[in-house]
This record gives sequence, C-alpha cells and structure tokens, in this order.
Amino acid sequence: EVQLVESGGGLVQPGGSLRLSCAASGFTFSSYWMHWVRQAPGKGLVWVSRINSYGGNTNYADSVKGRFTISRDNAKNTLYLQMNSLRAADTAVYYCARERSGYEWWGQGTLVTVSS
Amino acid sequence: SYELTQPLSVSVALGQTARITCGGNNIGSKNVHWYQQKPGQAPVLVIYRDSNRPSGIPERFSGSNSGNTATLTISRAQAGDEADYYCQVWDNNTVFGGGTKLTVL
Repeated sequence: EVQLVESGGGLVQPGGSLRLSCAASGFTFSSYWMHWVRQAPGKGLVWVSRINSYGGNTNYADSVKGRFTISRDNAKNTLYLQMNSLRAADTAVYYCARERSGYEWWGQGTLVTVSS
Repeated sequence: SYELTQPLSVSVALGQTARITCGGNNIGSKNVHWYQQKPGQAPVLVIYRDSNRPSGIPERFSGSNSGNTATLTISRAQAGDEADYYCQVWDNNTVFGGGTKLTVL
C-alpha cells in the first residue's frame, strides 16, 4: 500500500528554520517526481516545490524561492523540505504528494505555525 | 502567471447532478486534474487528465475540458460528496483553482 508520512512540523518564530520530511513506502520512490503543496488555515491549496525522480531538477513557487530547498534521499525513500527565513505567511499544513497524472497520493500533512 | 477561476460554492439537491467549473485561458489545451477534500483530510484525486477516473472513484464522477472551461460533473449527488473541490493544471508550475465548496441539500 502506498503511504506518504510527513513529519517535522511545529511552532517556529519568524525568521526561524524547519526541515520537513516525507517518508514514502509501498512504491518505487525513485521513479516518481515528488511535490510539496501547502494549505493555510481555511484557505486553498498552493503548490510549493517539486523535485524530479533523481533529485537533479527542482522548481519553486516564487513565494518561497531562495528560502526553501527541496531534496530527496532515494536510498532512504524520503523527501525533504528545508525551510529558512520563515514568515507568518508560511503558516500552513504542508503536504507531500506523488505525481504521475495529477497528484495520485498525498500524505496526511504536517502543520507549520510561524508565530512569535 | 496562469490563473484558474472556480465558483466559491455550488449547491445541489440530493440525487441531482452537480457541475463545478474551472475557467482558464485556453484551458482546453491543458491537462486538468480535480481533487476532492473533506474537512481535516488530505485531498483525493477524483479526475485526472480531464476525464479519467482513478481506481476506486465512483462512475458518478466525470470530467470534461474544452475552450476556456473545464467541468467536473457529479451525478446522483450523495451527502458524502459534500467537500471542497479543486481543479489543477501545470503551467510552468502547478496551479490550483481557488476551490469550490459543494453543498448537498
């Protein structure tokens, strides 16, 4: 069974850093592009970043470019999102998602709260 | 940047047909995916590449895409279909519509 399990969320002060992880199982992780999508409380879905199957190609939303870094460890079947210089506007549930034709599988999400 | 426009809300009587639209410039030339999200849950893909249903999604869910509008159609609406629905395309990056809240009366 395909599973994506995010972790690493929590409360952080503005300007701080967090690293999110997404542990994948039940499929060949190294064969898929992976994405991060976030959802602020009561708001819609917003794409954050993506990485190709081998990790050599990454893209970012303008709102996080230069502050967030997506990476993956195919040996550990894990996707990461390093978030630096966090702002209140980054407060959201962060989902990792597997892409093929659309986002076929999503994790349960991890909540990041940026507040002093 | 590319924008997708969805109605904020759609209401449908129990057992009737709901149609949720997603507008975008020449969206008919793009692959459109649709997601259902219930409160407190992660989104679920219900239609991919305009009109295809993933396994496990009821046949009551269908999609179309032409011109400047893509449409998600839910036939014989059930109480369990109440949710937020999002359309999504790829245009240099992933773009989501703002979401539509479906209410089943």
